[in-house]
Amino acid sequence: GAGVSQTPSNKVTEKGKYVELRCDPISGHTALYWYRQSLGQGPEFLIYFQGTGAADDSGLPNDRFFAVRPEGSVSTLKIQRTERGDSAVYLCASSLGGPNTEAFFGQGTRLTVV
Amino acid sequence: RKEVEQDPGPFNVPEGATVAFNCTYSNSASQSFFWYRQDCRKEPKLLMSVYSSGNEDGRFTAQLNRASQYISLLIRDSKLSDSATYLCVVNRNSGGGADGLTFGKGTHLIIQP
Repeated sequence: GAGVSQTPSNKVTEKGKYVELRCDPISGHTALYWYRQSLGQGPEFLIYFQGTGAADDSGLPNDRFFAVRPEGSVSTLKIQRTERGDSAVYLCASSLGGPNTEAFFGQGTRLTVV
Repeated sequence: RKEVEQDPGPFNVPEGATVAFNCTYSNSASQSFFWYRQDCRKEPKLLMSVYSSGNEDGRFTAQLNRASQYISLLIRDSKLSDSATYLCVVNRNSGGGADGLTFGKGTHLIIQP
């Protein structure tokens, strides 16, 4: 399919380890967003890319979180020294950009830190 | 004040009834507004955009009140399949055009037979 693809779908890691979560956006979508969602909560904004650059990274909770999009397509969210509180579903979305354009979400990566 | 606030519910509504949700937002400079629907353990999907003049899509009507900074969603003749979480979404307006979206926590709707 041509939708947003996220890998892995599930990730279990030990506290203190480093993880990378990958997002393949819809081809041609210049805007890419990362969110995380905990049970019973709405998606929490982390970072937004327009092309290769992070247009707004104000949602990253601390310096353990970092995201890149080096070629303006695939993006990787990187979490260092994971903590149990990082456990959540990490959602990626992409859109054509511009006002009132629909953001399409991937199915998410469920991260569990034990 | 939170950026986007919604009543989490749950709203328990009999099939066929009309139900309405409101959402308030804090950023008066926001320009884009949406309702997304999220089913249990699924990703959010766009239900409808919300325009200043109000808009309707079948049984769903969305309205925007900029002066009071709230958005509403009305569902008529509710169906069992309407059971889901409805997320109010507002653009962050960080400057420079299109930008990230801020989601409310969602309103949980349960349609009962």
